[in-house]
Amino acid sequence: AQSVTQLGSHVSVSEGALVLLRCNYSSSVPPYLFWYVQYPNQGLQLLLKYTSAATLVKGINGFEAEFKKSETSFHLTKPSAHMSDAAEYFCASSNQAGTALIFGKGTTLSVSS
Amino acid sequence: ETGVTQTPRHLVMGMTNKKSLKCEQHLGHNAMYWYKQSAKKPLELMFVYNFKEQTENNSVPSRFSPECPNSSHLFLHLHTLQPEDSALYLCASSPLEQGGELFFGEGSRLTVL
Repeated sequence: AQSVTQLGSHVSVSEGALVLLRCNYSSSVPPYLFWYVQYPNQGLQLLLKYTSAATLVKGINGFEAEFKKSETSFHLTKPSAHMSDAAEYFCASSNQAGTALIFGKGTTLSVSS
Repeated sequence: ETGVTQTPRHLVMGMTNKKSLKCEQHLGHNAMYWYKQSAKKPLELMFVYNFKEQTENNSVPSRFSPECPNSSHLFLHLHTLQPEDSALYLCASSPLEQGGELFFGEGSRLTVL
């Protein structure tokens, strides 16, 4: 069965520091992988997605993620955190068209000045 | 105009009321979804519709009744809800293709008194 695990429900960083949000997946077939961001009282917005082209995927707002098959991971990074990055981040996967994404439990990112 | 529009954004109802949530997408997608997001819980998939046909029902109680009259509109009819049904209800749509991401509305915040 397909599943997504996000390690750490809460991550705190200082402004300007590296952001690293971890995601591991399990899938019997090559998955499609996604990172979404959710700001308070809003829906989810796509940050980036992996669809088997390049293993390093660049997204919006300076975020990127690297697909590592050997580690079954798809961690999200940003070199320098900004206060506006404070939000909830969700990793998700799918392996079949027309089926819903499987989401991780989410990681809340806090950024302090 | 936003891609996926949900109305109302906020709804307060008593346990004996009947109300409906509406979702409309202007992206030409053929798949639509309802998710429930409760505080401190992961996103819960409720229903999936492909080409107006329900393809997934994640053991949702019958007090939630979905309706998909066409590929652009999705409703969630609510009847005799419980306080624990208070949550953010998110609608999403996607193209029916491998790796197609979900596009989310901003959600309907439901409070059941």
